[in-house]
Formats: sequence, C-alpha cells, structure tokens
Amino acid sequence: AQSVTQPDIHITVSEGASLELRCNYSYGATPYLFWYVQSPGQGLQLLLKYFSGDTLVQGIKGFEAEFKRSQSSFNLRKPSVHWSDAAEYFCAVGPMNYGGSQGNLIFGKGTKLSVKP
Amino acid sequence: NAGVTQTPKFRVLKTGQSMTLLCAQDMNHEYMYWYRQDPGMGLRLIHYSVGEGTTAKGEVPDGYNVSRLKKQNFLLGLESAAPSQTSVYFCAAREGLGELFFGEGSRLTVL
Repeated sequence: AQSVTQPDIHITVSEGASLELRCNYSYGATPYLFWYVQSPGQGLQLLLKYFSGDTLVQGIKGFEAEFKRSQSSFNLRKPSVHWSDAAEYFCAVGPMNYGGSQGNLIFGKGTKLSVKP
Repeated sequence: NAGVTQTPKFRVLKTGQSMTLLCAQDMNHEYMYWYRQDPGMGLRLIHYSVGEGTTAKGEVPDGYNVSRLKKQNFLLGLESAAPSQTSVYFCAAREGLGELFFGEGSRLTVL
C-alpha cells in the first residue's frame, strides 16, 4: 500500500539550532516528493519539491531536503531554525504519471515544530 | 493574486443541516481537490475533479457531494451534516503533476 510516514509528531528545537524532519514513503515507483508548511490558521504552502535530477533540493526559507532512494526517505533540513519556523510540516508523495489515481498526492500526518527562544 | 479562495471561512451548523463550501481558483488549473484536516490525521482527500464537469471520489467521500460546473469553481456539499464532519476543509488546485496550491481553509463545526 502507498503511504507516507512522518515518525515525529512533535519536535521542539532551540532557536539557532539545526533541524531535521523525517519522511519515509512506501510507493510502487519513484515518486514526486514534496514538503509543505502550514502556519497556524493558514493553508499549506510549498517549501520544496523533488521531481528528478540532483537529489538535494533547495527550497524557500532556507530549507533543503535530500531524496535517498535506497532508504525511501525525503528528510527536510535547515541549518539554523528561526522562531518564525514554528509551524506544522507535511511530507507528500505523488506519482510520476497519472494512472488510476489521477496523480493524487498522499500526505503524511505532519510534524509540528516548536521553537524555543 | 488570489490563487485559491474558499468561502465561507467559518461556519457552525446543527446536525442535519445542509451547506455548501465554495472554492474558486484564478489560475486556470485543470485539477481541483477537497481535503479535510483533522488533528493527528493529516490531510485526507474527499473528492477531486480532473476538469470541468468531472468529479471523482477520494479517500473519505461519504456524506459529501461535489460539483464542478465551471472550471474555476469546485463546490463541496454536505446534505445532512453530522458531528463527525466537524473539521477544517481545504481546497486545492493543480496543473498536471505539479504542486498543489491551497486555499486558506474553511473551519466547520457541526453541533
């Protein structure tokens, strides 16, 4: 079955510390991969995406993610966290072709990030 | 520069009442989606549309109906609201296999 797992429900880091949010997926083929961020009371905003090519992708707000095919992972990282990064983060996977699912994305359950001053 | 707009943003219903959520997009995208978000459950797909006049069921379609009479609009209906439908609803639009563009959400409470 296709699925996305974000093992950490809630993470707290100190401002200025580094951050890594984990995402593992189970998929029949190499998928397209996405990270979204949701601030309280807001919709989801795309942070970055991987379609092909370089497995280290850069996104907005200083985030990056690395696709590791052998580990079926797409972990999100940031070298130095800012208080404004406090939000919920969602990993999502989608097919590289439409097929029966019409290209629908599968979302993980999210990781809530808290930032200590 | 609106992108995806949802109305209303908040609504309180009594059990058994009906209502419609409207999603409008100005990006001319073919694909549109309705998700619900519940604590600890992530986003679950209710229904989606691959173009004007077409709709399809997602993961949790029961109790909901949708219509896509115009390309820019995607309506989500609740014919007889139940407390289990208390949730935050998100509409999204997409072109091809690219990213999803989300609205700001509609918070629905069913008493």
